[in-house]
Amino acid sequence: QKEVEQDPGPLSVPEGAIVSLNCTYSNSAFQYFMWYRQYSRKGPELLMYTYSSGNKEDGRFTAQVDKSSKYISLFIRDSQPSDSATYLCAMSAIFNQGGKLIFGQGTELSVKP
Amino acid sequence: NAGVTQTPKFRILKIGQSMTLQCTQDMNHNYMYWYRQDPGMGLKLIYYSVGAGITDKGEVPNGYNVSRSTTEDFPLRLELAAPSQTSVYFCASIKTGSGNTIYFGEGSWLTVV
Repeated sequence: QKEVEQDPGPLSVPEGAIVSLNCTYSNSAFQYFMWYRQYSRKGPELLMYTYSSGNKEDGRFTAQVDKSSKYISLFIRDSQPSDSATYLCAMSAIFNQGGKLIFGQGTELSVKP
Repeated sequence: NAGVTQTPKFRILKIGQSMTLQCTQDMNHNYMYWYRQDPGMGLKLIYYSVGAGITDKGEVPNGYNVSRSTTEDFPLRLELAAPSQTSVYFCASIKTGSGNTIYFGEGSWLTVV
């Protein structure tokens, strides 16, 4: 079983839609949860970072972590064509002290004008 | 600061050849990582290092070697290149306790024919 599972999509939505992206994981030691955005032929860039359970909001983006269900989500409100990219979840047990950072497969998102 | 610098950006190798992907960071980061990303897939951790002189295996270390003789440099060596190593390689670094922002290089596109 993979440590991190993410639906690869592709996911296509109309402009203005609410997008929900999800990952599940199996390692209960994970405490640091991140979402990255990756444009074609570029390196990933950090969008959201959450420690342990709870919600975090940043502009149009909201990250949720449910450690009891081993499930994390990223919501994008009022989606824009510029949001079209691949979104990768990533998580780690002791990232604040360094250590392995494990990525999901990535979900390809397309926002149509 | 130049950030994380990877060279070369593109390379074609013949089966059985060897090469080294170079990675340098000038941010005095203690943790460094090598990932590979196959088309439509997430990033898989090859090796990581928590500081000079210390390295550890990630998810997919077979066929690769690393060294970390200085804080700045973390080269990835491919011995006896195989077609299965055709991929995009990303080097990354983080300074622990700095807000956990991981900095990625621009990527190295490697094709083994």
